[in-house]
Amino acid sequence: ETGVTQTPRHLVMGMTNKKSLKCEQHLGHNAMYWYKQSAKKPLELMFVYSLEERVENNSVPSRFSPECPNSSHLFLHLHTLQPEDSALYLCASSQQKAGGRETQYFGPGTRLLVL
Amino acid sequence: AQSVTQPDIHITVSEGASLELRCNYSYGATPYLFWYVQSPGQGLQLLLKYFSGDTLVQGIKGFEAEFKRSQSSFNLRKPSVHWSDAAEYFCAVGTYSNYQLIWGAGTKLIIKP
Repeated sequence: ETGVTQTPRHLVMGMTNKKSLKCEQHLGHNAMYWYKQSAKKPLELMFVYSLEERVENNSVPSRFSPECPNSSHLFLHLHTLQPEDSALYLCASSQQKAGGRETQYFGPGTRLLVL
Repeated sequence: AQSVTQPDIHITVSEGASLELRCNYSYGATPYLFWYVQSPGQGLQLLLKYFSGDTLVQGIKGFEAEFKRSQSSFNLRKPSVHWSDAAEYFCAVGTYSNYQLIWGAGTKLIIKP
């Protein structure tokens, strides 16, 4: 119903593992976002891609590595994570246009637990 | 600095009662405004948005919100809540020059039977 899908929905990983989160949007949008949602904290924007180029990286640790191979797909590669990285990771997409006024549409999220 | 405040962390309302969730923002120009809802274990669903024009905005699921420039507020209302409205509600503010949204910390709505 949202047009943005995320896989997996749940992920448990050890601190030495490497895993990837996948996001796909079916809305024909030209921008995609990764957010981190931790308990009791506002939503944190991690990365923004516009027309497949990264335009924002909000001081995210290098253990998070995004990839945007085309306008419909977005990945978040994870390696050597810490327990404090456990959170809900949300993907969103929007149609960017001059003057703003764009609406972001969210996927269901991936619940990540780092042990 | 730009910010969004949702003063109530939790609100408890009886089923069938009316609801108002508060959102105040700090921004130097006219913002555009959103309300999203998040059910447990789910992503964020857009309830409604204000870009310009009529300051009373209708959304999905019977929700409405009113933009009051003089009070820097965008409060969400519903005349009669249903148990299925139990969720967390987020207010967000955007600007015309930046795709980044400024998010409130959320208000958790609890419905009493």
